[in-house]
Amino acid sequence: DSGVTQTPKHLITATGQRVTLRCSPRSGDLSVYWYQQSLDQGLQFLIHYYNGEERAKGNILERFSAQQFPDLHSELNLSSLELGDSALYFCASSPSDGRELFFGEGSRLTVL
Amino acid sequence: AQSVAQPEDQVNVAEGNPLTVKCTYSVSGNPYLFWYVQYPNRGLQFLLKYITGDNLVKGSYGFEAEFNKSQTSFHLKKPSALVSDSALYFCAVRDDFDADKLIFGTGTRLQVFP
Repeated sequence: DSGVTQTPKHLITATGQRVTLRCSPRSGDLSVYWYQQSLDQGLQFLIHYYNGEERAKGNILERFSAQQFPDLHSELNLSSLELGDSALYFCASSPSDGRELFFGEGSRLTVL
Repeated sequence: AQSVAQPEDQVNVAEGNPLTVKCTYSVSGNPYLFWYVQYPNRGLQFLLKYITGDNLVKGSYGFEAEFNKSQTSFHLKKPSALVSDSALYFCAVRDDFDADKLIFGTGTRLQVFP
């Protein structure tokens, strides 16, 4: 158990809908990262937050947004969902830059 | 921008034989290098890292990796493979010049046969 909690574990929804994925980092970790893992594109970096502030963006679509709250949990919002958004979404936390990341078990999103 | 390449989609090895999973990287500054393992339907687990110091890094489950600056490589190795090592392995790099991103390779599936 990494100490990173992601909910929900599984989510099935329809095209055009909006979903919110939630992540609780390890106790004391200030950094939260979001990644998308799909079969054909490996593990893609989406976004990094540190202590409530956005630090870096990767290949995150404009339909997606994220935030980190004062209690350090984070949410990834996915809107106007398309079939191609079906993937595993991972959250990871880290105590400081340069240290290893600790991953949650992921949220599997299926868009029908 | 930093990038990492894992040239092999799959590596097959017999149990008891040594294994190597290859990784090369590209960064602007100094690299922070990591190996992770993913078992089916699970998150990624940290194996080992190179930040600075000795080029040979030892990690979990008997794995080690060798940092080679001239070849910009960070290959994962294990002297004697186990069937239970079969999983998906990811190399990742962080550039100290752009430290807010950790970029992963496409992964290499390791299959260890009895």
